[in-house]
Amino acid sequence: SQTIHQWPATLVQPVGSPLSLECTVEGTSNPNLYWYRQAAGRGLQLLFYSIGIDQISSEVPQNLSASRPQDRQFILSSKKLLLSDSGFYLCAWSSGENTEAFFGQGTRLTVV
Amino acid sequence: LAKTTQPISMDSYEGQEVNITCSHNNIATNDYITWYQQFPSQGPRFIIQGYKTKVTNEVASLFIPADRKSSTLSLPRVSLSDTAVYYCLVGGPLGGGYNKLIFGAGTRLAVHP
Repeated sequence: SQTIHQWPATLVQPVGSPLSLECTVEGTSNPNLYWYRQAAGRGLQLLFYSIGIDQISSEVPQNLSASRPQDRQFILSSKKLLLSDSGFYLCAWSSGENTEAFFGQGTRLTVV
Repeated sequence: LAKTTQPISMDSYEGQEVNITCSHNNIATNDYITWYQQFPSQGPRFIIQGYKTKVTNEVASLFIPADRKSSTLSLPRVSLSDTAVYYCLVGGPLGGGYNKLIFGAGTRLAVHP
């Protein structure tokens, strides 16, 4: 069966520090991969999606970037965090054949 | 991608049936309608997906009228544990709809004792 791993679960980082969140998927090949951010009490904002290695689309201009070094690995990064980067970050995967997506447990990031 | 509109919030009581309607006036011919459930501090979870008429699983039913411009998620006999945010999502094979999954604001359902 397919599983998705996302870590860390919580993170507190100072303003201006770098960020690296990692997500890996097991049990499937060539998945679509996604990064979402959710502010407190708000909906899901799609940040990046990838349909393959080196095929990453950015949805929202920001100081975040994403990379997909391997087929089932998706990394969200920032060189310098802003206070506004605080939120709940979710990684997800889908087969790309329908709109059913599977989410990781999320990372709660607090920038202080 | 078809834009979706849902009520911001709904209230219900234990044991009642809850119907949440989603409007998607510009749904494309090949688009499917999908509903997700999200609990606090968790990722959304797939509930049900349909194309037309009615779909039922062990959790919910999805009603889609002939014009497909709206859909209704029906939760039978809700319990306190059904308190969550429910998202309607529309997408299809054309225009990257299966690749770019965009969620709306969702409906916050509160179930009271």
